[in-house]
Amino acid sequence: GIQVEQSPPDLILQEGANSTLRCNFSDSVNNLQWFHQNPWGQLINLFYIPSGTKQNGRLSATTVATERYSLLYISSSQTTDSGVYFCAVRSPYSGAGSYQLTFGKGTKLSVIP
Amino acid sequence: NAGVTQTPKFQVLKTGQSMTLQCAQDMNHEYMSWYRQDPGMGLRLIHYSVGAGITDQGEVPNGYNVSRSTTEDFPLRLLSAAPSQTSVYFCASSYGQTYGYTFGSGTRLTVV
Repeated sequence: GIQVEQSPPDLILQEGANSTLRCNFSDSVNNLQWFHQNPWGQLINLFYIPSGTKQNGRLSATTVATERYSLLYISSSQTTDSGVYFCAVRSPYSGAGSYQLTFGKGTKLSVIP
Repeated sequence: NAGVTQTPKFQVLKTGQSMTLQCAQDMNHEYMSWYRQDPGMGLRLIHYSVGAGITDQGEVPNGYNVSRSTTEDFPLRLLSAAPSQTSVYFCASSYGQTYGYTFGSGTRLTVV
């Protein structure tokens, strides 16, 4: 099945700093999402971005589907940004795999005041 | 618009007991699915549905049943709980394959 690798696995930032999280995937995808899992365990959808660039406030994301990677940018980080960031992809091929979101292991972000 | 609602938020079961985890969405999404999240394993698909009356197995279906009698509801049944089913369970829904998924807030299940 499709493989998803996220880097770095852990990241500690001073409040106000910027960061870039990376997601590499092993095959073609027709769906890519970035999620933030907050310290209470909720999975918050940040971006649906199978290709191109999107921005939402201090967060932006870019997916280069032809090169099989996506980047999540966090600018002017705040303590509320802490948590785990997941990249999840879906294959366009038939079968159960085409309905399944395959998640990376995540990047654990800690923003300290 | 409540999104995806899961109940209960927490549950403790004894080995061998059965229970149903509820999931409801009010966005008229056709796709619904159940995932479990375990430390070091990430999120894995249990069962999914592409519409009312249609369900299929995901990556880890053993020990679980589902049904989809309405577009809105997709309950997950544990037939005979085992300690290996201790996990956090998430329900998710989407308009379709090329749309983003919305996740519920999760159910933390402990089987003792």
